[in-house]
Formats: sequence, structure tokens, C-alpha cells
Amino acid sequence: AQSVAQPEDQVNVAEGNPLTVKCTYSVSGNPYLFWYVQYPNRGLQFLLKYITGDNLVKGSYGFEAEFNKSQTSFHLKKPSALVSDSALYFCAVRRGYGGSQGNLIFGKGTKLSVKP
Amino acid sequence: EPEVTQTPSHQVTQMGQEVILRCVPISNHLYFYWYRQILGQKVEFLVSFYNNEISEKSEIFDDQFSVERPDGSNFTLKIRSTKLEDSAMYFCASSVGGLTEAFFGQGTRLTVV
Repeated sequence: AQSVAQPEDQVNVAEGNPLTVKCTYSVSGNPYLFWYVQYPNRGLQFLLKYITGDNLVKGSYGFEAEFNKSQTSFHLKKPSALVSDSALYFCAVRRGYGGSQGNLIFGKGTKLSVKP
Repeated sequence: EPEVTQTPSHQVTQMGQEVILRCVPISNHLYFYWYRQILGQKVEFLVSFYNNEISEKSEIFDDQFSVERPDGSNFTLKIRSTKLEDSAMYFCASSVGGLTEAFFGQGTRLTVV
């Protein structure tokens, strides 16, 4: 069965420092992996996805994620954090094999807090 | 920028009542989805809808739930007889196709009392 795990409930970073939000996955077949962000009182916003190709995926707002097949990880990164990056971040994997990219299994979310 | 809109933002209903949650997906999108998030828990997939029929549903999506696209713009989730445990944030999403990412609405908070 497909699943994702976000081992950290919260990540605290100082503004200007690099940030990493961790995600590991378990899938049968090729993984379709996604990151979404949720700001307070807003819906989930798509950041980036990995389907195939380069292991380093670049997305919105300067975020990127590295797909690591041997470690079954898909960590979200940003070289220099902003206070405005503070939000809830969700890793997700496509449900099943052959389903649409909107059929997702989400991790529990990681709260990112960036302090000035 | 086009977005998925959901109404109402918050709905309170009595246990046993029927409730309809409404969504207007992005206009050129063909795939539609409902998710829910019980407070403090994960965002959970409920159902996907394409070409006027359900394409996939989770074990949560039992006979109490139904979805409909009554016209060219709305996508609705109906809960026939609400239970206390249906209290959650319900998110609608849409995508252009099956091979593109989904865009989510801001959610409807359903409170069953």
C-alpha cells in the first residue's frame, strides 16, 4: 500500500537559514510524489512534484525537493527561509497505480516556523 | 489567477440532517475531487470524479455520501444523514487532467451538533 511519512511535527528555522522538511514514502511501482503548502485559513497550494527525470525538482516560491530512491525520501528544501514561508507543509503520494494525480495520500503535515 | 471556490466556508448542521457542500472547480478542469480533514488528523481522500462518474473512492466514501455535477460549473458533495464524526474540513479540488496536479479550494468547515 502507498504511504508517506513526515517524521517531524514542527520545524523551526531562523530567517535566512536553509530549511529542510522531511518526507519518506513507501510505494509499489514508480512513485508520484507531491508537496503542498497550507497557509492559515487557506486551501492546499501545490508546490512541486516528482514524476520522473531529474532527482532535484524545482517548484514555487524558491522551494525544491530531492527525490532519493535508495532512501525512499523526498525532502523539501529551500536555501534561504523567509518568515512568510511559515505554514503547514504536506507531502503526498499518488494513490494506487495508474490513478490520476489528484488521487493522493497525504502525510500528517509538518508545521514550519521561520523566526526573524 | 483562477481558483477553486467552496461555499459555505462554515456550516453547522444537526445530526441526522442532510448537508450539501458546494464547489466551483477551475473552469477548464475535467477531474474533480473531495477530501476531508478531521481536526488534528491527516487530509484524507474521499472521491474522484471524471466524465460524470466516480472514478475512484475511498473506504470512507460509503452510501451516506454522494457527489454530483449538476451543471457545467458546480460540483457537490452530499452527506445524507450526518453523524457527529462527519465534523471536519472538507476540501474540493480539481485538475485539468489525470496527469496534472490538483488545485484545492479553501475548504468548508462542517460542524455536526
